[in-house]
Amino acid sequence: GAGVSQTPSNKVTEKGKYVELRCDPISGHTALYWYRQSLGQGPEFLIYFQGTGAADDSGLPNDRFFAVRPEGSVSTLKIQRTERGDSAVYLCASSPTVNTGELFFGEGSRLTVL
Amino acid sequence: RKEVEQDPGPFNVPEGATVAFNCTYSNSASQSFFWYRQDCRKEPKLLMSVYSSGNEDGRFTAQLNRASQYISLLIRDSKLSDSATYLCVVNGPGTYKYIFGTGTRLKVLA
Repeated sequence: GAGVSQTPSNKVTEKGKYVELRCDPISGHTALYWYRQSLGQGPEFLIYFQGTGAADDSGLPNDRFFAVRPEGSVSTLKIQRTERGDSAVYLCASSPTVNTGELFFGEGSRLTVL
Repeated sequence: RKEVEQDPGPFNVPEGATVAFNCTYSNSASQSFFWYRQDCRKEPKLLMSVYSSGNEDGRFTAQLNRASQYISLLIRDSKLSDSATYLCVVNGPGTYKYIFGTGTRLKVLA
C-alpha cells in the first residue's frame, strides 16, 4: 500500500544487543517522526526530521538512541546496548510538511528486550 | 507538570450519550492543537485539528481555551464505534515536535 511501512513488526532481542528499526514514509512526505509507546501511555516523542536533517532530537532518552534519514526518505532508528526498559512499540509517522500536524503513522515495531 | 495532561478514564457511556474530554497543556506559547484517535492495538489517526474559533465535524466539536490552556472534545450521540482512546496533541513551542497526552479511553455501551 501507500502508507507508512515499518519493519520489523516484531523484534525480540536480549539485553545488551543492538537493534535497528526501519521506517519507509509515504512518498513525497518531507517530515518524519519517531515516537515510542508503552502500554497505557500516549506516544512519547523521540525525534523528527525535516528532509535529511534531524530538526529536533530532544526526545531521544540517551546516547544509546540514534536515528538517521540519509536521503530524506527511509529512516532508521538505532538502539545500542538495549535495556529491558527499551521495550515498547516504536511508531514512525510521516507528514507532507511539518506544520500541518497531520501525522500518518505506521503500524509500529514492537520491541521486546529480554 | 506534564506538558500535556489528560484524564485517562475510562469513560463508560451509553449509546446516544454526549461525552466531553478536556486536555490541559503547560506551555502558553503552543500554537497547534489536535485530537487523535487510537483504536486498541492500532496506530493513532488524526481526528481533527483544533482552531481558536472552535470547530465542528459532524458529531464532534473541538474547542480551545487559551486563557486556561485547555482544549476540549465533545462527542454527541455516541456510537459503539466511537469506543477508542482519544489523544490530545500539542506542538512544543518554537518547534514542530508534537507532544501527545496519555489519552482518554472511551467505551460506548449498547
